[in-house]
Amino acid sequence: DAKTTQPNSMESNEEEPVHLPCNHSTISGTDYIHWYRQLPSQGPEYVIHGLTSNVNNRMASLAIAEDRKSSTLILHRATLRDAAVYYCILRGNDYKLSFGAGTTVTVRA
Amino acid sequence: GAVVSQHPSRVICKSGTSVKIECRSLDFQATTMFWYRQFPKQSLMLMATSNEGSKATYEQGVEKDKFLINHASLTLSTLTVTSAHPEDSSFYICSARTSGHNEQFFGPGTRLTVL
Repeated sequence: DAKTTQPNSMESNEEEPVHLPCNHSTISGTDYIHWYRQLPSQGPEYVIHGLTSNVNNRMASLAIAEDRKSSTLILHRATLRDAAVYYCILRGNDYKLSFGAGTTVTVRA
Repeated sequence: GAVVSQHPSRVICKSGTSVKIECRSLDFQATTMFWYRQFPKQSLMLMATSNEGSKATYEQGVEKDKFLINHASLTLSTLTVTSAHPEDSSFYICSARTSGHNEQFFGPGTRLTVL
């Protein structure tokens, strides 16, 4: 399985942007970069995904490095509801998701 | 957005009994469903992949005779934990995807406690 590396934790102030890095140096040409987040005692929630180009949706933006060996999830204005564990996952052709430890995001009011 | 439900949300059972967990896609047809479990303070671990009308594919180390998966329709998959033991106590989560879409939609999870 292609692996990803994320920081264990990150803190942010409310209303400020949050940049969550993810390294995936062994990514293959057909792997998509997916981001999910999980609040305590809930199932994960899809955030965003991309292949090569940067992506924006109502939840976040995804910036993908030109060599695709790293990416950054950007939450433009953090709210208390954004406090969660964020998972960066490489998705291959079998559509399986391999969850790592993720980054625990804490938002200070 | 796509909604996936699970039932029950929590269940407590005695050791040796079997427990069935249902996973339903409410507003879309799920060509593939996945089952995960999550132990406290740990990440999700994929248990099996289930395609409608065919046998589930289990991940290495997951006993297929203990964790029975049935995907009888495009909106329903069930996971039966047979002869449950305390070490099977965990948070079981399903997800579903539909053909042509990249993302998976997750259920809210089922917390199983085996006494």
